[in-house]
Amino acid sequence: QKEVEQDPGPLSVPEGAIVSLNCTYSNSAFQYFMWYRQYSRKGPELLMYTYSSGNKEDGRFTAQVDKSSKYISLFIRDSQPSDSATYLCAMSAGDYKLSFGAGTTVTVRA
Amino acid sequence: SQTIHQWPATLVQPVGSPLSLECTVEGTSNPNLYWYRQAAGRGLQLLFYSVGIGQISSEVPQNLSASRPQDRQFILSSKKLLLSDSGFYLCAWENSGRAKNIQYFGAGTRLSVL
Repeated sequence: QKEVEQDPGPLSVPEGAIVSLNCTYSNSAFQYFMWYRQYSRKGPELLMYTYSSGNKEDGRFTAQVDKSSKYISLFIRDSQPSDSATYLCAMSAGDYKLSFGAGTTVTVRA
Repeated sequence: SQTIHQWPATLVQPVGSPLSLECTVEGTSNPNLYWYRQAAGRGLQLLFYSVGIGQISSEVPQNLSASRPQDRQFILSSKKLLLSDSGFYLCAWENSGRAKNIQYFGAGTRLSVL
């Protein structure tokens, strides 16, 4: 079993829709949670970072963490074509290692 | 502000040839540095990380090696490339103190071994 499982997608949504992305994990020691956005042929770019259960908002993005269920989500409101990218979840137990999901590719149709 | 540079952006090399990929970070001191490989649909695989000059930890035994000759320079090398070394290689840095585990990535090098 992989440490981090991410819904594989791909997802295709119309412009303005809400995008929902999810990851589950098995390591109860994970305490830092991140979402990265990666455009085609580019390096990942940090979107959200959180270390506690609950919701964290940043503009159109909301990161949700449920440590009891070992489940994290990213919601994108009012999605735009520029949000079309691959989204990677990542998490850490506080050592030097990040464990990544395999990524979900999102296409927002104009 | 901090920036990370990775080069070259793309590279095509024959099997058996050597490899040297370079990564440098500006605007910070004593960063933790990382090399990852990304295969399509499989996420990022940590290859090496370094917490200081000359200090290298290897996560996966393989045909590659890493070196950190200067505080903000990280090099990925191979003496003889294999077909299986093809992939997208990413360098990342992290503050060694505050904001733990937030890693920032370079633009990547796409390596094709033919």
